[in-house]
Amino acid sequence: QITLKESGPTLVKPTQTLTLTCTFSGFSLSTSGVGVGWIRQPPGKALEWLALIYWNDDKRYSPSLKSRLTITKDTSKNQVVLTMTNMDPVDTATYYCAHRPSWQQLVDYWGQGTLVTVSS
Amino acid sequence: SYVLTQPPSVSVAPGQTARITCGGNNIGSKSVHWYQQKPGQAPVLVVYDDSDRPSGIPERFSGSNSGNTATLTISRVEAGDEADYYCQVWDSSSDLFYVFGTGTKVTVL
Repeated sequence: QITLKESGPTLVKPTQTLTLTCTFSGFSLSTSGVGVGWIRQPPGKALEWLALIYWNDDKRYSPSLKSRLTITKDTSKNQVVLTMTNMDPVDTATYYCAHRPSWQQLVDYWGQGTLVTVSS
Repeated sequence: SYVLTQPPSVSVAPGQTARITCGGNNIGSKSVHWYQQKPGQAPVLVVYDDSDRPSGIPERFSGSNSGNTATLTISRVEAGDEADYYCQVWDSSSDLFYVFGTGTKVTVL
């Protein structure tokens, strides 16, 4: 059974750096084709893809946020970490961790999400 | 970058059929996936590769994709189908890797 869970601060101040950790179980990020990504959703708005890291450490970022994002993995700990610099109130959103299966470019398992509020 | 456009809302009576469209340039050449999101919950994959269903998803959910429009069809709509629905594609031709639609709120009357 695949599960993912996000952890990190619920409140950050403008200009600060956000660090979110995704801890997962039920699969290995060393399995060929597998990936873990981050997707966010501002309150009342649509889903927005942020970043994806593959089993082979290949990384992809949303073009509009690329300069602010870093995604890394620790396969031994079953964790993926997302950092986002220079946080702004418009970055207030629920941040989801997601599993990308080996067979298709989609999300088949999602974390429960964590709401991050950016406010002074 | 690639854009997916959905109607903001669709209303349907119980037992009737809801159709949710997802418009994109030549979307028929891509694989389209659909997610259902109920309030306060994470999205759930309900259709993948245009028309396939993950295990556990009722047959009432079906999909099609041709030309510039993909469609998610919910037959015999139930109150529990009330949710937001998002389409998604992988745009290999651009840096915006995973593209999500604008989302459609399905209201069961």
